[in-house]
Amino acid sequence: EPEVTQTPSHQVTQMGQEVILRCVPISNHLYFYWYRQILGQKVEFLVSFYNNEISEKSEIFDDQFSVERPDGSNFTLKIRSTKLEDSAMYFCASKAGPESYTFGSGTRLTVV
Amino acid sequence: AQTVTQSQPEMSVQEAETVTLSCTYDTSESDYYLFWYKQPPSRQMILVIRQEAYKQQNATENRFSVNFQKAAKSFSLKISDSQLGDAAMYFCAYRSFLAGGQIIFGKGTRLHILP
Repeated sequence: EPEVTQTPSHQVTQMGQEVILRCVPISNHLYFYWYRQILGQKVEFLVSFYNNEISEKSEIFDDQFSVERPDGSNFTLKIRSTKLEDSAMYFCASKAGPESYTFGSGTRLTVV
Repeated sequence: AQTVTQSQPEMSVQEAETVTLSCTYDTSESDYYLFWYKQPPSRQMILVIRQEAYKQQNATENRFSVNFQKAAKSFSLKISDSQLGDAAMYFCAYRSFLAGGQIIFGKGTRLHILP
């Protein structure tokens, strides 16, 4: 069964550093998403991406965040200057059409 | 804006018994999807079951079934013959029928299975 692959599974970074979280969506999918889950809290939408541009973003997705699909296969989330409160599990997801998302297994980001 | 409410932060059930997790939602849309996701300790998000709002028939997947009450905006999950592997966080979720719609999650219910 096709999978959404996220790397790394766990990343530790110092406050103020830039991080790039990587995702390889399912190859024929057209819609891509990033979600965030702070420990013990619910999963929150960050951004959706379609046709090489952001289609929707939440209030959380401020100027510190950016997304890119640099080579037609990878889908990345960049956080420019990490803060302690950015520590969370970050999930990538993709889908082809109206059916359900497929989520990746997540990247645990720890900012120290 | 759509909201999803799970009023049970934690539940416990004896192994082999049946348990029902509650979920209510609020929307002004007539067409949408509802989901239950399972999140085990590994924190991966696993789709358990999906319901299209235009379908009157309740979705079932093996031991998992839903009770979808569109007028009441209620979407409960029933797990029959509970197994130890069912222990996890369960999230109820809503998505608009729009092609690119975001998923809106509830706060989750942590399910414990008692041996």
